[in-house]
Amino acid sequence: GQQVMQIPQYQHVQEGEDFTTYCNSSTTLSNIQWYKQRPGGHPVFLIQLVKSGEVKKQKRLTFQFGEAKKNSSLHITATQTTDVGTYFCAGRDNQGGKLIFGQGTELSVKP
Amino acid sequence: NAGVTQTPKFQVLKTGQSMTLQCAQDMNHEYMSWYRQDPGMGLRLIHYSVGAGITDQGEVPNGYNVSRSTTEDFPLRLLSAAPSQTSVYFCASSYRGDTQYFGPGTRLTVL
Repeated sequence: GQQVMQIPQYQHVQEGEDFTTYCNSSTTLSNIQWYKQRPGGHPVFLIQLVKSGEVKKQKRLTFQFGEAKKNSSLHITATQTTDVGTYFCAGRDNQGGKLIFGQGTELSVKP
Repeated sequence: NAGVTQTPKFQVLKTGQSMTLQCAQDMNHEYMSWYRQDPGMGLRLIHYSVGAGITDQGEVPNGYNVSRSTTEDFPLRLLSAAPSQTSVYFCASSYRGDTQYFGPGTRLTVL
């Protein structure tokens, strides 16, 4: 079945450093979504990418969808302590099937 | 709007007991889903529904039952709880499978 792999599992950075998490799917995706979960909280939607090669920005966050629509990345520039949390990607296959989440990347930021 | 609500917030069960996790949404969303979250495993889809009267299995459906008699409610039933079902359970809803709105979660411990 469809699998979505996300790396790294953990990332510890100094405040001000950049951070990137990568997401890879075993199948071609119709779209990919990104979510953020603060410690003790629930996942909150960040963005959805639909088009091949799409790049979207939200302030210091940059999201990319690969040309083959099988991979995606989230890049945070100059991390802040407010960026702490777990970032999940979630992909839906081309058959409009289930939304499958990656394992998540837990980001910690040292002030 | 209350969004997605889940009850209870915490629950402790003994092996073999049954219980129902409640989930309700007031956004008139067609899609509803149940996920479980375990350390290092991300969010795994248990069951989902694309509308009242329609349910389907996700990645890890064994040991869980669902029904969808109304648009608003999507309860998750554990018929005979096992320690392997100790987890945090999230319910989510979406308009047509796009942005997922998550509830606050239920933390379940099975002894």
